[in-house]
Amino acid sequence: DAGVIQSPRHEVTEMGQEVTLRCKPISGHNSLFWYRQTMMRGLELLIYFNNNVPIDDSGMPEDRFSAKMPNASFSTLKIQPSEPRDSAVYFCASSPEQGYPYGYTFGSGTRLTVV
Amino acid sequence: AQSVTQLGSHVSVSEGALVLLRCNYSSSVPPYLFWYVQYPNQGLQLLLKYTTGATLVKGINGFEAEFKKSETSFHLTKPSAHMSDAAEYFCAVSDTGGFKTIFGAGTRLFVKA
Repeated sequence: DAGVIQSPRHEVTEMGQEVTLRCKPISGHNSLFWYRQTMMRGLELLIYFNNNVPIDDSGMPEDRFSAKMPNASFSTLKIQPSEPRDSAVYFCASSPEQGYPYGYTFGSGTRLTVV
Repeated sequence: AQSVTQLGSHVSVSEGALVLLRCNYSSSVPPYLFWYVQYPNQGLQLLLKYTTGATLVKGINGFEAEFKKSETSFHLTKPSAHMSDAAEYFCAVSDTGGFKTIFGAGTRLFVKA
């Protein structure tokens, strides 16, 4: 398996622009998680899905952030409009099944820089 | 609420020396505990996990960790450090539903030749 695939690896955008991050989980994994990593705040859980349904989005910082999972093999995290404080590394992770501690498989991340 | 505290943001050891990375957790229910490793410009990789049963768990790359309920600890050890072990290590706790995983702040391990 190719693992969790994220794109793009790097994104540089201007403040106010829309940014879309993409994730393809491991085939057969039913749970998908979006995390944000910064030096100041560490790893923060933004949202997670189970069987394509958002279960908990309490970590989404503001209404500017939205996430979707239209099918089992694809998820997006969108920021509109983007701000410099959104600069971070965004990770997608997947897990075989909710309710059992398999642990997560992480993608390589998207490094977002908002200037 | 669950939380994880990693003692020491940086740890430096000599090659061949013992590696000890400390983790304490807080949980109102029996926890699931994990250690992940992150190499530069990469995602996190699962090293090992504790769910139930044997309290000493072995993981990849020669690492192991011991769950001590009385001390609410899950410290990570390796008998002999290699240069390739230099990375950031994260302790994490999950509730018994395995839903949300909370990560510690991370400990960066430096290995000196």
